[in-house]
Amino acid sequence: EIVMTQSPATLSVSPGERATLSCRASQSVSSNLAWYQQKPGQAPRLLIYGASTRATGIPARFSGSGSGTEFTLTISSLQSEDFAVYYCQQYNNWPSLTFGGGTKVEIK
Amino acid sequence: EVQLVESGGGLVQPGGSLRLSCAASGFTFSSYEMNWVRQAPGKGLEWVSYISSSGSTIYYADSVKGRFTISRDNAKNSLYLQMNSLRAEDTAVYYCARATSGYYGSGGYYYYMDVWGKGTTVTVSS
Repeated sequence: EIVMTQSPATLSVSPGERATLSCRASQSVSSNLAWYQQKPGQAPRLLIYGASTRATGIPARFSGSGSGTEFTLTISSLQSEDFAVYYCQQYNNWPSLTFGGGTKVEIK
Repeated sequence: EVQLVESGGGLVQPGGSLRLSCAASGFTFSSYEMNWVRQAPGKGLEWVSYISSSGSTIYYADSVKGRFTISRDNAKNSLYLQMNSLRAEDTAVYYCARATSGYYGSGGYYYYMDVWGKGTTVTVSS
């Protein structure tokens, strides 16, 4: 099983600031990585796939980068609606999809 | 509006059974692969099971293999998860999620879950 590790577990950021979230895979997943956002009591929402392709309707302030084992999700200027938990998920080992443990982005 | 609505969750004793349903609307259900993903209280996301658009190909996470059965009825635009021999560790919110997959022109592959239901809660406890 490919283990996905996200850091930090919690990120405290002020509105308008930049947030950088990390995701590491236990073995190479090429660019076969997606990012999801989840707000309390809601279902996950797809943000990024293919490590860097924004999903339909996702604002340009969200960007993804990386390949192999190291990935980054960047939110360029945090808006109030961006405070949430973010998960990375690999699909290189499909159908065995694995998620990271999540990074909670909270208001500083 | 593209929508998935889960139902069938509830409280069940260890060793019991439950059948979850997921009703799809607003898209051609029969054209899409589907997954079940769960989330234990206060925890992260865990993939549970996959079914192809026709229902001919099915996969399970090791944690549920032999106990859970995924199925679909394309005529009814519905996805199901039959859960037997339930354990306390199966307690979670269960989401159904639509999957989209394909190949880039360069040969790369993509697979993502772009539509999710709001989830149904399963609690396994005596």
